[in-house]
Amino acid sequence: AQSVTQLGSHVSVSEGALVLLRCNYSSSVPPYLFWYVQYPNQGLQLLLKYTSAATLVKGINGFEAEFKKSETSFHLTKPSAHMSDAAEYFCAVSEEGGADGLTFGKGTHLIIQP
Amino acid sequence: EPEVTQTPSHQVTQMGQEVILRCVPISNHLYFYWYRQILGQKVEFLVSFYNNEISEKSEIFDDQFSVERPDGSNFTLKIRSTKLEDSAMYFCASSEKKGAQYFGPGTRLTVT
Repeated sequence: AQSVTQLGSHVSVSEGALVLLRCNYSSSVPPYLFWYVQYPNQGLQLLLKYTSAATLVKGINGFEAEFKKSETSFHLTKPSAHMSDAAEYFCAVSEEGGADGLTFGKGTHLIIQP
Repeated sequence: EPEVTQTPSHQVTQMGQEVILRCVPISNHLYFYWYRQILGQKVEFLVSFYNNEISEKSEIFDDQFSVERPDGSNFTLKIRSTKLEDSAMYFCASSEKKGAQYFGPGTRLTVT
């Protein structure tokens, strides 16, 4: 069975500051890992994915995430927050070659302070 | 850029009624999925569909749910007899292969 834990239901940063959203996973097999963003009243947009290639993954809108097997983590970062980054962010895991459905974390609401 | 579309955006129905939620996946994708998100909770997997059959389903996907690909473009989720607790946002997703899934904007289902 797989699971995802996102630390912090709400994260607040100042515009221009570093964004760090935490995600830890558990999986019995090598995982595929994803970050999705959900803007108000919209669907889920894929930010980036890890599928067992490079451990540092670059995504859209300046976001990146690093897969750390020893820490079972896949934290999302962005060097400089922008007001338009305010949204809900979801980390998700699926098992490589295994189950089809994604298992999502509870989400982190990112607030950007002017 | 191709995207997943869903209709309607909002559906209101009475308890016990049947509803059909519709999705048009990205045209060259082969895997199709339904998820739901109850207000304030996390996104939950319901079912996946490949090669015209269900490939995986969660424990949420009980006998009141069914999925169908009636033609070459649509993918539907039917809820046979809706309950109050079925009120949620329902998302359709598709993928070219197992891995990155692309989501539609969702259908908000309200059961009264």
